[in-house]
Amino acid sequence: SQQGEEDPQALSIQEGENATMNCSYKTSINNLQWYRQNSGRGLVHLILIRSNEREKHSGRLRVTLDTSKKSSSLLITASRAADTASYFCATNAGNMLTFGGGTRLMVKP
Amino acid sequence: DVKVTQSSRYLVKRTGEKVFLECVQDMDHENMFWYRQDPGLGLRLIYFSYDVKMKEKGDIPEGYSVSREKKERFSLILESASTNQTSMYLCASSLIRRSNQPQHFGDGTRLSIL
Repeated sequence: SQQGEEDPQALSIQEGENATMNCSYKTSINNLQWYRQNSGRGLVHLILIRSNEREKHSGRLRVTLDTSKKSSSLLITASRAADTASYFCATNAGNMLTFGGGTRLMVKP
Repeated sequence: DVKVTQSSRYLVKRTGEKVFLECVQDMDHENMFWYRQDPGLGLRLIYFSYDVKMKEKGDIPEGYSVSREKKERFSLILESASTNQTSMYLCASSLIRRSNQPQHFGDGTRLSIL
């Protein structure tokens, strides 16, 4: 069953703009993770935020977590064409991850 | 860097065949996972394993089995392939049995069942 649901399903922006993707989930979690998938490849782990954290940064990535609203957002600042990929949130409520359906991001040069 | 290697990028098999998908990781990870990925459905967990000879069912185990005879290798078996098993299959591993460990993925096997 899908725990996380990403919004929007698809996003198209110009290079240099910021991209924001949202994730909502249904049950209590230990942590939430974001992954990236380039076309035809496996997923790559980007960032993990624990349930007691509200915000985390990694380079051009900023992740927020609001456990009261059961939602998270991933912000990519100053996007580049190379950021074109699908982005997935994954929630962890035990020993397994449950993935959402993903957001397809296209960054136009 | 952790490397997770799946034996085939593309595979075409016929209905009723027994199909083996192989996955090897090189970082002595305890946990290994098999997912399938379908458009609009995201990743769904088929089976996972925390140790050699140990396996647990995920969300969609029907029609699949797994084998973990060595720590670095986790095989997914389609006992009698059917067309609804056409999909992208992703293998992943993580370090130890703790909930805050990220998973490392292989590049996937795109399996077509004719």
